[in-house]
Amino acid sequence: SQTIHQWPATLVQPVGSPLSLECTVEGTSNPNLYWYRQAAGRGLQLLFYSVGIGQISSEVPQNLSASRPQDRQFILSSKKLLLSDSGFYLCAWSQRGRSIVYGYTFGSGTRLTVV
Amino acid sequence: AQSVAQPEDQVNVAEGNPLTVKCTYSVSGNPYLFWYVQYPNRGLQFLLKYITGDNLVKGSYGFEAEFNKSQTSFHLKKPSALVSDSALYFCAVTNNNAGNMLTFGGGTRLMVKP
Repeated sequence: SQTIHQWPATLVQPVGSPLSLECTVEGTSNPNLYWYRQAAGRGLQLLFYSVGIGQISSEVPQNLSASRPQDRQFILSSKKLLLSDSGFYLCAWSQRGRSIVYGYTFGSGTRLTVV
Repeated sequence: AQSVAQPEDQVNVAEGNPLTVKCTYSVSGNPYLFWYVQYPNRGLQFLLKYITGDNLVKGSYGFEAEFNKSQTSFHLKKPSALVSDSALYFCAVTNNNAGNMLTFGGGTRLMVKP
């Protein structure tokens, strides 16, 4: 069966420090991968999505970047964190071309607090 | 462009009463609709989906949703609410166009009081 792993679960980082959040998917190949941010326990903001290795689409300009070095690995990064980067970060995957049937599967999230 | 509206930021119900969480959508072509639930500090969990067929869809934890094409709605319902149903609920829509990206609503917080 397919599983998605996201870590760390919580992270407290000082302003100006770098960031690396990792997400991996098991049990499938060629997934579509997504990074979302959720502020204050409300709506989801799509940050990046990827349909293949090295293929990243950015939805909003920001202090963050994403990379997909392997088929089932998706990394969210920042060189210098801002206070406004605090939030709950969610990774998700979907079967390519099959979102209408299976939707998205989400990881358990990372709570990032920038201090 | 597709969109989802969840008009209520919060829904309050008493335990044992029926609940409804509203969702309306806009999409070209046939809609494919989903409901997800999120508990505090957790990822979103799939509840139910509408792809085709019967307009009343049954899902996890006793939830159901009714697809209404003329009203472009997909309201989430449960006959008898539990305190443990208190969570954040998201409606999402996609179509069969290339990409199949899901568009999520802003979420509705459900509070079930004992």
